[in-house]
Amino acid sequence: RKEVEQDPGPFNVPEGATVAFNCTYSNSASQSFFWYRQDCRKEPKLLMSVYSSGNEDGRFTAQLNRASQYISLLIRDSKLSDSATYLCVVNKLNQGGKLIFGQGTELSVKP
Amino acid sequence: EAGVAQSPRYKIIEKRQSVAFWCNPISGHATLYWYQQILGQGPKLLIQFQNNGVVDDSQLPKDRFSAERLKGVDSTLKIQPAKLEDSAVYLCASSLDTVQTTEAFFGQGTRLTVV
Repeated sequence: RKEVEQDPGPFNVPEGATVAFNCTYSNSASQSFFWYRQDCRKEPKLLMSVYSSGNEDGRFTAQLNRASQYISLLIRDSKLSDSATYLCVVNKLNQGGKLIFGQGTELSVKP
Repeated sequence: EAGVAQSPRYKIIEKRQSVAFWCNPISGHATLYWYQQILGQGPKLLIQFQNNGVVDDSQLPKDRFSAERLKGVDSTLKIQPAKLEDSAVYLCASSLDTVQTTEAFFGQGTRLTVV
């Protein structure tokens, strides 16, 4: 089983739609969590950290459920510019801060 | 602030040849990562350095891949000899302090094609 697993994509949605991505991780010792965004043929960039209490940044909401080892990202009112691959990342602090990436979920927002 | 610098941007080599990639992290960043990203997949961690020491290299194919960060600043990743399945983008990233779980910043990557 992969350490970090994400919904298989791609997700094709119209502008204005709400879309949710799910991610599960296998190692309960994982201690911090992130969502990164990767545009086509570009490097990954941090989108947001994920906190146990849940956190929101504009149209983006991230949730963490440690008991279920589950992370989610919700995007409201999708824009064309949201089209990208979204990568779920866990940081295993007890292993020297090892950053493990999921396989990514591709989002395509259509006019 | 200058970002993570990588070179070359692109490289095409024949199988069984050798290749080396260079990375200069953001100034002051103690942690440096090398990732391999095959098309359609997420980045796979190859090796992680904390200053000039190796923290994790469990997924580095050590029969053909090697990496060093001798002075705790820039780093090189080498493949010798290359195989067709090594075709991928090699990404270098750095972060200030993994204990504080700070953001990892990526370079633009080196796109390797093995023919």
